[in-house]
Amino acid sequence: EIVLTQSPGTLSLSPGERATLSCRASQSVSSSYLAWYQQKPGQAPRLLIYGASSRATGIPDRFSGSGSGTDFTLTISRLEPEDFAVYYCQQYGSSRLFTFGPGTKVDIK
Amino acid sequence: EVQLVESGGGLVQPGGSLRLSCAASGFTVSSNYMSWVRQAPGKGLEWVSVIYSGGSTYYADSVKGRFTISRDNSKNTLYLQMNSLRAEDTAVYYCARGGVVLRYPTKAFDIWGQGTMVTVSS
Repeated sequence: EIVLTQSPGTLSLSPGERATLSCRASQSVSSSYLAWYQQKPGQAPRLLIYGASSRATGIPDRFSGSGSGTDFTLTISRLEPEDFAVYYCQQYGSSRLFTFGPGTKVDIK
Repeated sequence: EVQLVESGGGLVQPGGSLRLSCAASGFTVSSNYMSWVRQAPGKGLEWVSVIYSGGSTYYADSVKGRFTISRDNSKNTLYLQMNSLRAEDTAVYYCARGGVVLRYPTKAFDIWGQGTMVTVSS
């Protein structure tokens, strides 16, 4: 089973700053099957990125994804007030199972 | 409007059973792959199970043998039958639709319900 590790656990930034979130896999992940989600308190997760770098419908272009193999990155170019939330990466592997990372909380500095 | 609405959560004793429902609108459940994902209080997301359009099902090790995913095509509804419940199954349970782009599955979940809370406690 592939284990996903996200870092940092918490990222404290100010609006307008750039956020860089990391997702590392215990073994190689197909880039086609690496996704990122945003979750705000009391809400369901929202899909941001699929296929490592493709933005989901309606997602602003300040969100971008990159990476391959075992290292993936979600970048928020300029943080807006509504971007402060928890972000999860998720993968689908050859075992036909899905796994989520533990999450990175982006909070206001 | 594409929407998922879960129901069936509640308080159940350890060892008990519960069936969750997820009613879909705006798309056909049987034509998509559908999953259940849970989130324990204050914790992260945990994938639970998936059912594909062809009927294949898969489960996380933590629930295998205890939970069963199914669907009723006539009701356009997804289900999760949960047996032998344990305290560690306490969580908000979300149903989610698997995404497809240009007929290829993305293996990412593009539509989520609002969740239903399951509490396992005596």
